[in-house]
Amino acid sequence: AQSVTQLGSHVSVSEGALVLLRCNYSSSVPPYLFWYVQYPNQGLQLLLKYTSAATLVKGINGFEAEFKKSETSFHLTKPSAHMSDAAEYFCAVSERDTGRRALTFGSGTRLQVQP
Amino acid sequence: DTAVSQTPKYLVTQMGNDKSIKCEQNLGHDTMYWYKQDSKKFLKIMFSYNNKELIINETVPNRFSPKSPDKAHLNLHINSLELGDSAVYFCASSQGGEQPQHFGDGTRLSIL
Repeated sequence: AQSVTQLGSHVSVSEGALVLLRCNYSSSVPPYLFWYVQYPNQGLQLLLKYTSAATLVKGINGFEAEFKKSETSFHLTKPSAHMSDAAEYFCAVSERDTGRRALTFGSGTRLQVQP
Repeated sequence: DTAVSQTPKYLVTQMGNDKSIKCEQNLGHDTMYWYKQDSKKFLKIMFSYNNKELIINETVPNRFSPKSPDKAHLNLHINSLELGDSAVYFCASSQGGEQPQHFGDGTRLSIL
C-alpha cells in the first residue's frame, strides 16, 4: 500500500520569505501526485498536480512543485509568502494504472505566515 | 455554479440517531467519493463509486451506507451514530485516475 509523508506538521515563515513544504511518497511505481490547500472551514482546493509530463509543475497562487523520482519526493515551494497563504496543505497520491482512483493523503502541514 | 455541493453543512445530533448527508456534482464526472477528516485533520477514503457502482469500500463500519442513485449523486447514510463519528465528511468527484478530485465544502458532523 502506498503512503505519503509530510515532514513538519507546522511551518512558520515571514511574509516575503520562501515557502518549502515537504512531501515524500512510497510506491514502487510513481503515482499521480497532487497538492491541495484547505482554508479554515472550507473544502480542499487543488494547487497543482503531477501526472507524467514536466517534472516541474506550476500551480495556482504562485506555487510550484518538483517531482524527483530518485528521491520519491514532490516538495511544494513558493518564492515569496503572502499572508493569504496561511492554511493547511495536503500532499496526496493516487495509484497509476489501477481502477482504485482514491487519494491517499499525507497528514498535512499547517503554514503560518508572520507579518 | 457550485461544482460539488453537500448538504447539510453542519449536522448536530445525538448518539443513536440516524442521519444522511447528500452530495451532488455538476461536472459530469464518472467517479464520486466520500472522505472522512478527523479532529487531527487526517483525511481518509471511505467509499468510491464509479458510474453508480461501488468500487472502494474501506474498513468502514456497516452503519455507514453509501447510495448512488445516479452518476451525479452520492449520498451517505449513517445509522446509530456514535461519538467517534464526529468528523468532517467530504464528498469529491473526478473523471479518471490522473484527473484531480474536486471537493465539496464538507459536512461537519457533531455527536452530542
